[in-house]
Amino acid sequence: EVQLVESGGGLVKPGGSLRLSCAASGFTFSSYSMNWVRQAPGKGLEWVSSISSSSSYIYYADSVKGRFTISRDNAKNSLYLQMNSLRAEDTAVYYCARGEQVDTAFDYWGQGTLVTVSS
Amino acid sequence: SYVLTQPPSVSVAPGQTARITCGGNNIGSKSVHWYQQKPGQAPVLVVYDDSDRPSGIPERFSGSNSGNTATLTISRVEAGDEADYYCQVWDSSSDHPRVFGGGTKLTVL
Repeated sequence: EVQLVESGGGLVKPGGSLRLSCAASGFTFSSYSMNWVRQAPGKGLEWVSSISSSSSYIYYADSVKGRFTISRDNAKNSLYLQMNSLRAEDTAVYYCARGEQVDTAFDYWGQGTLVTVSS
Repeated sequence: SYVLTQPPSVSVAPGQTARITCGGNNIGSKSVHWYQQKPGQAPVLVVYDDSDRPSGIPERFSGSNSGNTATLTISRVEAGDEADYYCQVWDSSSDHPRVFGGGTKLTVL
């Protein structure tokens, strides 16, 4: 069974940093691209970042470029999102999601982790 | 950047057909994916590559894509279909290529 479990969310002050993790199981992690998607309270889905299976291709939304860094460790079946210079508008539930390729649909999603940026 | 436009809401009676549109410039040239999200839950893929269904998704869910509009069609709507629905594409011409529509709230009357 495919499982994606996010962790690392919490309350952080504006300007602070946080690192999210996504632990994957039930599939060959190194064969799939991975993604981060967020959802602010009461709002729609917003794509954040994508990384190809071998980390050769990485993409970011304009809203996070230069502040967030996506990475993966295929040996540990884990995906990460390093978030720096956090702003109030980064407050959201962050989901990790799997894709067969970097440009294909997200076929499995985790349950999400809440990040709250507030003083 | 590429923009996808969805109606904020669609209402339909049980047993009827719901159609949710996703508009974008020449969207017919792109592959469109659709996600269903119920309150408090993670999104679920219901249609990918315009019209394909993942295993476990009922045949009542179908998709089409042509010109400037993609459509998710839900036949014989049930109360359990009430949810938010999002379209998504990959815009290969962009540095930030993954785009979601704003979402459509489907209400079953």
